[in-house]
Amino acid sequence: GAVVSQHPSRVICKSGTSVKIECRSLDFQATTMFWYRQFPKQSLMLMATSNEGSKATYEQGVEKDKFLINHASLTLSTLTVTSAHPEDSSFYICSARDWATNEKLFFGSGTQLSVL
Amino acid sequence: GENVEQHPSTLSVQEGDSAVIKCTYSDSASNYFPWYKQELGKGPQLIIDIRSNVGEKKDQRIAVTLNKTAKHFSLHITETQPEDSAVYFCAASIRNTGNQFYFGTGTSLTVIP
Repeated sequence: GAVVSQHPSRVICKSGTSVKIECRSLDFQATTMFWYRQFPKQSLMLMATSNEGSKATYEQGVEKDKFLINHASLTLSTLTVTSAHPEDSSFYICSARDWATNEKLFFGSGTQLSVL
Repeated sequence: GENVEQHPSTLSVQEGDSAVIKCTYSDSASNYFPWYKQELGKGPQLIIDIRSNVGEKKDQRIAVTLNKTAKHFSLHITETQPEDSAVYFCAASIRNTGNQFYFGTGTSLTVIP
């Protein structure tokens, strides 16, 4: 299957700092990438939809100035958590929809963010 | 919008038995239904998917069935093994669009050796 690489897998930071998470589709192009947040034992909560070359579309309740998303190419999207606080601690997962089929969705391995 | 419901939330089976997870959806426009397996601390992995023009699809020990009229689809795992233990998510989407995927709430499957 297609591979989506997400880095870092785990990050611990101090409150007030910013953290950048990278999501790359390694062997396919993705016009659309999605960013999710997942709390323990819960389902995936969509944060935003990212389209290459355009501004991301954020879900209701998600602060776009806090969670900056950039989708500069067909294979790379980044999520930056700005001025992180302990309540931002969570598991963040990216996914990419295969442009060729515009059907299948593949996920990255996730990033566990812990804000002290 | 689309609403996907998934049952059961937890499921325990003996090794070698079968496991069935069921999902329903509400939007008749949905035409693509993937299933994902998520192990602890990892991202979801696509294990099987089905389009709305197909009633059943099988891949070794895993099969998915779809009833478009009733708007429900199911995941069947036969001859379960301990390594099948994970959380499984169903999803619904519309092909050839940039639309989001709608996920079920997940089923935690435990296969008892």
